Amino acid sequence: GENVEQHPSTLSVQEGDSAVIKCTYSDSASNYFPWYKQELGKGPQLIIDIRSNVGEKKDQRIAVTLNKTAKHFSLHITETQPEDSAVYFCAATPGNSNYQLIWGAGTKLIIKP
Amino acid sequence: SQTIHQWPATLVQPVGSPLSLECTVEGTSNPNLYWYRQAAGRGLQLLFYSVGIGQISSEVPQNLSASRPQDRQFILSSKKLLLSDSGFYLCAWRTSGTQTQYFGPGTRLLVL
Repeated sequence: GENVEQHPSTLSVQEGDSAVIKCTYSDSASNYFPWYKQELGKGPQLIIDIRSNVGEKKDQRIAVTLNKTAKHFSLHITETQPEDSAVYFCAATPGNSNYQLIWGAGTKLIIKP
Repeated sequence: SQTIHQWPATLVQPVGSPLSLECTVEGTSNPNLYWYRQAAGRGLQLLFYSVGIGQISSEVPQNLSASRPQDRQFILSSKKLLLSDSGFYLCAWRTSGTQTQYFGPGTRLLVL
């Protein structure tokens, strides 16, 4: 079945710098890749997603890139701000299941002032 | 617009006591509903999934159960809580036929 690996587990960057979080997946038939941000004590919130027919998607300071050949996708946050500090999760929908999301283990992003 | 509610927000229960957590969704019909558990500092573990009233799929065998008595209501229950049931319980919904899941605010459960 599908397996999603997420790296790094913790990422500390200086405010204003960029942050990149990478996920790899195993099922070549996976076709949907969302990213969620979870602040302490809250439920995860969708921040951006990408489908397998698109290589890149951008929304202001956030972008996601997808490399289907290498089976990895990455979250890019530019001009980081203190409010970007949170845990970020990637996920993938396996090819044989439309209802399920396979989750990465999460990345704790720390923005240093 | 759609909103999802969970209650209670926090719960402290003794080992062996029963549990009932509730999730309701507003602003949509026939949503697909999910229960997840998140251990402290960990990822998301899918517990139950429902495509309609009375239709529940269990992903992980354990002492928890789920029910869907109404279209937009999803309940997580246990007859006897274990210490290992402590965690952050999240309800999520999606529109049938789409892939994006939307999460509620969660319930923090501490079993002592």
